[in-house]
Amino acid sequence: AQRVTQPEKLLSVFKGAPVELKCNYSYSGSPELFWYVQYSRQRLQLLLRHISRESIKGFTADLNKGETSFHLKKPFAQEEDSAMYYCALTGGSARQLTFGSGTQLTVLP
Amino acid sequence: DSGVTQTPKHLITATGQRVTLRCSPRSGDLSVYWYQQSLDQGLQFLIQYYNGEERAKGNILERFSAQQFPDLHSELNLSSLELGDSALYFCASSVVSSGGAGTGELFFGEGSRLTVL
Repeated sequence: AQRVTQPEKLLSVFKGAPVELKCNYSYSGSPELFWYVQYSRQRLQLLLRHISRESIKGFTADLNKGETSFHLKKPFAQEEDSAMYYCALTGGSARQLTFGSGTQLTVLP
Repeated sequence: DSGVTQTPKHLITATGQRVTLRCSPRSGDLSVYWYQQSLDQGLQFLIQYYNGEERAKGNILERFSAQQFPDLHSELNLSSLELGDSALYFCASSVVSSGGAGTGELFFGEGSRLTVL
């Protein structure tokens, strides 16, 4: 079974401070990990995926298979980063995207 | 708007009733996914259809059923509704059937909020 855990429901940081949103997963094979984001009054949308090894809006995430983690990081948070962030996983023959429960990030001025 | 569209946006009904939620995928997308988001819960995968055929099944109750029509729109039917079925139901679509893997990015609708009284 595949499972995604986001331990923080709420996270607040000040503008300009570093931010890290935690994500741990449980999966026996080789997973593909994603971060999806939902800004206020917008649809849930893909932020980044680990296979692309890209930085989007200053965010990066590294897959750590040893720790089964895929934490989302940004060195300097901006107010426009305030949103709900979901970590998600897919893999194997099931090919269903499993989401964590989400972390609401608030960046304070 | 060529994005994923869901109707209705809001629905209030009583226990024991039956409702149908509708989803139109993005133009060209063959896969449709249904997710349920209850209070304090993450997005729970319900079911996936690809080009009219059921492709994957998640934690979908027997009281719930879905289908995808030849024009690729999908409907989620919820019957014998209970208070606990109150939730936000999301539909998503993708070009491929990989459940989000590889290049199969999921594009989400705005959701249908169901309230069962």
